[in-house]
Amino acid sequence: EPEVTQTPSHQVTQMGQEVILRCVPISNHLYFYWYRQILGQKVEFLVSFYNNEISEKSEIFDDQFSVERPDGSNFTLKIRSTKLEDSAMYFCASSEVFSQETQYFGPGTRLLVL
Amino acid sequence: KNQVEQSPQSLIILEGKNCTLQCNYTVSPFSNLRWYKQDTGRGPVSLTIMTFSENTKSNGRYTATLDADTKQSSLHITASQLSDSASYICVVSADNYGQNFVFGPGTRLSVLP
Repeated sequence: EPEVTQTPSHQVTQMGQEVILRCVPISNHLYFYWYRQILGQKVEFLVSFYNNEISEKSEIFDDQFSVERPDGSNFTLKIRSTKLEDSAMYFCASSEVFSQETQYFGPGTRLLVL
Repeated sequence: KNQVEQSPQSLIILEGKNCTLQCNYTVSPFSNLRWYKQDTGRGPVSLTIMTFSENTKSNGRYTATLDADTKQSSLHITASQLSDSASYICVVSADNYGQNFVFGPGTRLSVLP
């Protein structure tokens, strides 16, 4: 069964460093999403992406964040200058056609900012 | 402010028993409501999606209901199994395009043998 994959599974970085989190959505999916979940807290929506541009973003998704689909398979989330409070699990998700379809989540990347 | 609340915060039941989880939301405009199952350290897995016009939807032993007038939803789990132990998250789409998602805090379900 096709699945969303994410790399790395864990990332440790120093405050102020840039990190890139990578996702490979399911191949025939057209909508892509990033979410984050701070330890012990609820999942928070960051951004949705369709047709090579951002469709929707939350208040969390400020200028420190950017997303890109650099090729036909990868979908990346970049955090330019990490802060301690960026430590969280980051989930990528994709859906087949329309945003109201079932979203399939990846296993997540655990980011720890020291 | 758009919010999703869930109750109970946690629940312990015996294997084979049924249970019902609650979700209340104050989200407008409303596009759809989803229930997810999240195992510890894993990504959420979709159980059901309901739009405004739907008031019940089933997925195996999971049945979700939606009352758009009272802004309440429930997830009923029948004949629980040990593998049902997880967090169950209610998510409401907060705009007409269904892409601004508001997550509830989840209900932590533990199924004991």
